[in-house]
Amino acid sequence: EDKVVQSPLSLVVHEGDTVTLNCSYEVTNFRSLLWYKQEKKAPTFLFMLTSSGIEKKSGRLSSILDKKELFSILNITATQTGDSAIYLCAVERGSQGNLIFGKGTKLSVKP
Amino acid sequence: GAGVSQSPRYKVAKRGQDVALRCDPISGHVSLFWYQQALGQGPEFLTYFQNEAQLDKSGLPSDRFFAERPEGSVSTLKIQRTQQEDSAVYLCASSLGWGQPQHFGDGTRLSIL
Repeated sequence: EDKVVQSPLSLVVHEGDTVTLNCSYEVTNFRSLLWYKQEKKAPTFLFMLTSSGIEKKSGRLSSILDKKELFSILNITATQTGDSAIYLCAVERGSQGNLIFGKGTKLSVKP
Repeated sequence: GAGVSQSPRYKVAKRGQDVALRCDPISGHVSLFWYQQALGQGPEFLTYFQNEAQLDKSGLPSDRFFAERPEGSVSTLKIQRTQQEDSAVYLCASSLGWGQPQHFGDGTRLSIL
């Protein structure tokens, strides 16, 4: 059965800390891996990764994919209180296009 | 509009009633997806449209759930004879097509009493 597992499930840090969120997967017909940030409302798209070893970066956030070991990490440097959210990892299956999501990592950044 | 628009934002219904949830995707987006998100969980796939064609409905939990997208734009998810376990946030997402990132609406929070 296809699955996506995120760790940790929750994390509390202080402003300025660096965090690493983990996502491992077992999915048939893998096409891409996506990261989303979810606050109270819609999941907001962060990154889409299709190739191993190529880091994607946006400001203080970065992510990389390892297709051999079947995992991805999301790094956030110099965290701010506005980074507090649930971070969702999802894998897109090539045959269908739908996303399989992990349960998410709830990040809380304290001032 | 600029983003995916869903309505209503909140819906409360009594058990046994029928409900209809609307999704207006980003203009020009060919692909449209519906997901169900229970509290504390990641979204779970329900169904997928490419234009007006429903290509995958394998995630619909029962035959009480029905979705349509008759003109290839706005989509409606209908739940008949609602039950308490249908209470969840229903998310709609759209994308330009295969291999493009999905963009989500704010969801409809459905509560069945």
